[in-house]
Amino acid sequence: DAGVIQSPRHEVTEMGQEVTLRCKPISGHDYLFWYRQTMMRGLELLIYFNNNVPIDDSGMPEDRFSAKMPNASFSTLKIQPSEPRDSAVYFCASSGATNEKLFFGSGTQLSVL
Amino acid sequence: SQQGEEDPQALSIQEGENATMNCSYKTSINNLQWYRQNSGRGLVHLILIRSNEREKHSGRLRVTLDTSKKSSSLLITASRAADTASYFCAPFGGGGNKLTFGTGTQLKVEL
Repeated sequence: DAGVIQSPRHEVTEMGQEVTLRCKPISGHDYLFWYRQTMMRGLELLIYFNNNVPIDDSGMPEDRFSAKMPNASFSTLKIQPSEPRDSAVYFCASSGATNEKLFFGSGTQLSVL
Repeated sequence: SQQGEEDPQALSIQEGENATMNCSYKTSINNLQWYRQNSGRGLVHLILIRSNEREKHSGRLRVTLDTSKKSSSLLITASRAADTASYFCAPFGGGGNKLTFGTGTQLKVEL
């Protein structure tokens, strides 16, 4: 298996633009997580899905952030409109069961100018 | 969910020495996991220890768990420069089905 695949690897955009981050989890994994990492705040859990259904989105910072999982093999995290403070590395992770290990993607480095 | 608190925040050792990192948490757990993050990369799972286990080994890694003290430690023996990374603990349990992470221990292994 290729592991968790995220795209793009790097994204540079201007303030106010819409940004869409993509994630393909490991086949057969039922759980998908979106994290954000910054120097100031560390690694924050934004939202997670179980069987394509959002379970906990309490970490989503604002209404500008939205996440979807239309099927078991694809998820998106959208920021609209983007702001400079959204600059961070965004990670997607998946797992096969609720209390088992997570497999992380390589992350998307987002820079909002 | 709960997050662990790693200690120390930073650790610098010479190659060949052992590195010990500690983790404390607040409520009961089902398991506790350790992850490594190399600069610019995603986290990689190292080892999982369940609440009914006291010690676990994987190669040069040794993890202990003391549920009475709500603490865990990660020992890396005979460290190598390639072990330079950030290490995170993630206690699982106490409500919710999600893992949250602390700020980690930054380990630097010098030649």
